Amino acid sequence: EPEVTQTPSHQVTQMGQEVILRCVPISNHLYFYWYRQILGQKVEFLVSFYNNEISEKSEIFDDQFSVERPDGSNFTLKIRSTKLEDSAMYFCASSEGSNSPLHFGNGTRLTVT
Amino acid sequence: AQSVAQPEDQVNVAEGNPLTVKCTYSVSGNPYLFWYVQYPNRGLQFLLKYITGDNLVKGSYGFEAEFNKSQTSFHLKKPSALVSDSALYFCAVRFLNGNNRLAFGKGNQVVVIP
Repeated sequence: EPEVTQTPSHQVTQMGQEVILRCVPISNHLYFYWYRQILGQKVEFLVSFYNNEISEKSEIFDDQFSVERPDGSNFTLKIRSTKLEDSAMYFCASSEGSNSPLHFGNGTRLTVT
Repeated sequence: AQSVAQPEDQVNVAEGNPLTVKCTYSVSGNPYLFWYVQYPNRGLQFLLKYITGDNLVKGSYGFEAEFNKSQTSFHLKKPSALVSDSALYFCAVRFLNGNNRLAFGKGNQVVVIP
C-alpha cells in the first residue's frame, strides 16, 4: 500500500538555525498538509496546500514557516530561525480529495537546543 | 469553531473484553468525524469516518463508531479487544471550509491487558 514518507526521522538543530523537513506524499494525491504534535499535547494543524498554493494556514503558521512543492514529488516545510518551542513531531499528510481521509507519514521529530 | 473532546486520559481493558473510547463533538452544521490511531513512533492511521448516512460506521481492524446526534457523541468501539490494539486513539472533526483541516482531540491511550 502506498504511503507518505518523511525525512529525516529525527532532526536536531540549534536555536536560530533554519531547518527543512521533507515529505513525499502519495503519488496520486492532490492535497497536502503539515501538522505538528508537541510532546504530550494535541495534534495541531499547520497548513494545507493544493494546486501549488496554500489553501489554509493556522495561527501557528506565521512568517517563520513556509511550504514548497519544489518538484512533482516532494513537499517541504521550512522553519526559519528555529525556537525552542518549535520542538515537536511534525507530520506530513496527503489526501486524494478535499473530503478524503488524510494519510499521514511517520513524522519528523524536531529537537531545537 | 469545530472541536472534539476526549474526556478520558487512559482506557484500560482486558484482552477479549469490549473496548470503548469516548468522543464528544461541538460543531456548527453537520459534522464530519474521524477516528485515527497512532502506534509508537508512527504517524496517525485512519480508522473510520462519519459524514452522512448510517449512524453506525465500520472501519479498519474490527473497529466501529456510533454517531449520536442527540448526545453529540462519536464513541469508538470494538467488541473484543486485542493486545495489539494498545495505542493512542484520536478523534477528529473537519472544519466546514472544505480545506480538510482537522481539529483533533487530545488522544486517549488504550492499554489492553493480556
